[in-house]
Amino acid sequence: SQQGEEDPQALSIQEGENATMNCSYKTSINNLQWYRQNSGRGLVHLILIRSNEREKHSGRLRVTLDTSKKSSSLLITASRAADTASYFCATGSYGGKLIFGQGTELSVKP
Amino acid sequence: DTAVSQTPKYLVTQMGNDKSIKCEQNLGHDTMYWYKQDSKKFLKIMFSYNNKELIINETVPNRFSPKSPDKAHLNLHINSLELGDSAVYFCASSHGTSGASSYNEQFFGPGTRLTVL
Repeated sequence: SQQGEEDPQALSIQEGENATMNCSYKTSINNLQWYRQNSGRGLVHLILIRSNEREKHSGRLRVTLDTSKKSSSLLITASRAADTASYFCATGSYGGKLIFGQGTELSVKP
Repeated sequence: DTAVSQTPKYLVTQMGNDKSIKCEQNLGHDTMYWYKQDSKKFLKIMFSYNNKELIINETVPNRFSPKSPDKAHLNLHINSLELGDSAVYFCASSHGTSGASSYNEQFFGPGTRLTVL
């Protein structure tokens, strides 16, 4: 079953702007992960945030987690055309099972 | 030096046929997975194996049979292919034992696009 939803489903911005994607989930989690998928390719892990963390940074990425609201957000600052991709959040559970959101399609126009 | 590789990349076949997709990882990981991504890009786990042992088996038809000859390989065999099996199938791997694997990032292969005619 699908864990949650991502919002927006599609986002179009200009290079240099910031992009924010949101993810909601339904059950208690140990961690939440964000992945990127370029068109026709496999998924690439971006960042993992644990349930006892509230914010995490990696380069131009900033992830927040609010366990009381069961939500997370991914912020990409100073976006580039190469950031154009689909972005998925996923929650981890027993046995490594990742339950994915429906994804946000980000388009960054040069 | 590809980390997780899958063959073939594309597979076009007729309904009723039997086909296999192969996956290999050279990362030394203990756990491997198969995911299915449908036409709306929704990703769902199918199976996971830890050290050749089946850990997760979602509600997948028994026409799908994973086989793990060693911990670096996890193949997917599909019998009696149906139109609804058309999708992109991704193999992935992660470090750690079955329970701890949930705490680790997963490394995905490039995917196999299966088209059933």
